[in-house]
Amino acid sequence: DGGITQSPKYLFRKEGQNVTLSCEQNLNHDAMYWYRQDPGQGLRLIYYSQIVNDFQKGDIAEGYSVSREKKESFPLTVTSAQKNPTAFYLCASTPTGVSGNQPQHFGDGTRLSIL
Amino acid sequence: QKEVEQDPGPLSVPEGAIVSLNCTYSNSAFQYFMWYRQYSRKGPELLMYTYSSGNKEDGRFTAQVDKSSKYISLFIRDSQPSDSATYLCAMSAPYAGGTSYGKLTFGQGTILTVHP
Repeated sequence: DGGITQSPKYLFRKEGQNVTLSCEQNLNHDAMYWYRQDPGQGLRLIYYSQIVNDFQKGDIAEGYSVSREKKESFPLTVTSAQKNPTAFYLCASTPTGVSGNQPQHFGDGTRLSIL
Repeated sequence: QKEVEQDPGPLSVPEGAIVSLNCTYSNSAFQYFMWYRQYSRKGPELLMYTYSSGNKEDGRFTAQVDKSSKYISLFIRDSQPSDSATYLCAMSAPYAGGTSYGKLTFGQGTILTVHP
């Protein structure tokens, strides 16, 4: 079955620590996205990547970093500079990034909490 | 003012009721409209996808787009307890070239509970 796998499902971060959230897709999609979801605020875009070795900042990129070394993988690092990291993080993908007419497919998310 | 406004609810209805979920938007460039359903502790799953104005029906679900009023709706007929979830509207504009992309703008989500 094709899909998007996010791991871990739950993650705890200590003060001053960087943590990395994994996102892997076997849909052969070019474009991948990271969102943050907070109660009552919908989804906000952190970073997106239209192609391997390229990525762009979204609306709330501060305190986060990404890499896109392989087509199927788009890990997100939450750095110690992100002062309010507690949220539900969602990874998504589309076949290509440039068209507005492709719905995004989502993984089942990682819930990050502060210890 | 947010680009997309959605009443967060919560909305509670009895089983069998007709549910109406709505979003308004301000960006007239939006052409593609989506409804996602999100169960607790899960990712959003695509329910309905429409282009421009008009209606689209899929089983118990009907999506309606009124571009002149900048208003979209999702109707659920004969609602079931399994429909209890958060419903997110999302919309995007056509590709504008350069480094732009098919950015989705989401509403805040409406929490729906259907009780037996």
